Amino acid sequence: GQNIDQPTEMTATEGAIVQINCTYQTSGFNGLFWYQQHAGEAPTFLSYNVLDGLEEKGRFSSFLSRSKGYSYLLLKELQMKDSASYLCAPMDSNYQLIWGAGTKLIIKP
Amino acid sequence: ETGVTQTPRHLVMGMTNKKSLKCEQHLGHNAMYWYKQSAKKPLELMFVYSLEERVENNSVPSRFSPECPNSSHLFLHLHTLQPEDSALYLCASSQAQGRGGNTIYFGEGSWLTVV
Repeated sequence: GQNIDQPTEMTATEGAIVQINCTYQTSGFNGLFWYQQHAGEAPTFLSYNVLDGLEEKGRFSSFLSRSKGYSYLLLKELQMKDSASYLCAPMDSNYQLIWGAGTKLIIKP
Repeated sequence: ETGVTQTPRHLVMGMTNKKSLKCEQHLGHNAMYWYKQSAKKPLELMFVYSLEERVENNSVPSRFSPECPNSSHLFLHLHTLQPEDSALYLCASSQAQGRGGNTIYFGEGSWLTVV
């Protein structure tokens, strides 16, 4: 079956760096998305990886290893506004997004 | 502002009521989606419309009935719901369904409580 595994909750300190891991098993693969969702708000797009390696976008970077079924989201210089849930979503062979339950990131001063 | 607008934002309805959720996208996309989000659970895809035709219906109970009159509007008609249907219902759109890399844009969601 198809499965996504990411930590339920993480805590980090303002100004620090945090890495949110995601492992996945899907029927086929057409890339992987990361979304950010603040409480009570819509998920918003952060990144898309389809090839192995690191994609950097400002304070946020996303890494993909297709052979390992593994991705991570790296957040640098953490700010209080980064407190949110982070959703990992690979796309399967039918171009359907398979969603994880998300990682709730808590930033402390 | 994501370009996808949902109304109402909050809805409380009884189990015998009939109500509808509305979604409108201003992004020129041709695929629209309904998702259900329950607490601490993954997003569940309910329905997909591509070019105004329903292409996905993930075993959703018939008490949920979608309608897509054009590529910019999507409705979810609700009737005789159950308390376990209480959740956040998210509308989304993308440029094309069935293509890798096409980002899905979500609306703010409609919080539904069934009493």
